Amino acid sequence: DQQVKQNSPSLSVQEGRISILNCDYTNSMFDYFLWYKKYPAEGPTFLISISSIKDKNEDGRFTVFLNKSAKHLSLHIVPSQPGDSAVYFCAASEGEGGSEKLVFGKGTKLTVNP
Amino acid sequence: DAGVIQSPRHEVTEMGQEVTLRCKPISGHDYLFWYRQTMMRGLELLIYFNNNVPIDDSGMPEDRFSAKMPNASFSTLKIQPSEPRDSAVYFCASSYRPSNYEQYFGPGTRLTVT
Repeated sequence: DQQVKQNSPSLSVQEGRISILNCDYTNSMFDYFLWYKKYPAEGPTFLISISSIKDKNEDGRFTVFLNKSAKHLSLHIVPSQPGDSAVYFCAASEGEGGSEKLVFGKGTKLTVNP
Repeated sequence: DAGVIQSPRHEVTEMGQEVTLRCKPISGHDYLFWYRQTMMRGLELLIYFNNNVPIDDSGMPEDRFSAKMPNASFSTLKIQPSEPRDSAVYFCASSYRPSNYEQYFGPGTRLTVT
């Protein structure tokens, strides 16, 4: 059973607009969440993270929101740029009390059109 | 730092052959992870090491798969015998505490078993 779900396999937005990527999780033991970005023929690279003690974390154009009660997080990219076109993976960890394992979603392919 | 290094980048082999994938983690990192990415299952953890010791191999699909980490700067993932369903992209990643679980991925090895 998938513990981390990204229900939208793809998303297309216009340059300059907001991109919103969503992620849901089922394991209530998860308390640290990360977003990774992946370009073709490259490995995933870390983008932004959030601890369960926060509900928002911002880094430049990227903001991650966490709703623990809904077991939902989202990544907002504002404004979107063509270089943001990539596959975005949501990942979760059980944090200090658990192992070093990250559980990944299947990814959402974002296309930003010029 | 050169980042995580994986070799080969591409491997094409025939069913039944032995395949060995190699990984050099980032110097100073004490965790090493092997992942497999497929369209059906997404990015799944196969095994991870801490200080060269295997900690969790519950993701290894079957006995045909084995992984070793003889020293802090080298790890191998071996498939023997290989089967067409092993075709996937295999990623190695490394991390260190306290990293907040941020893992650094290599570029991956694309394996094709015919």
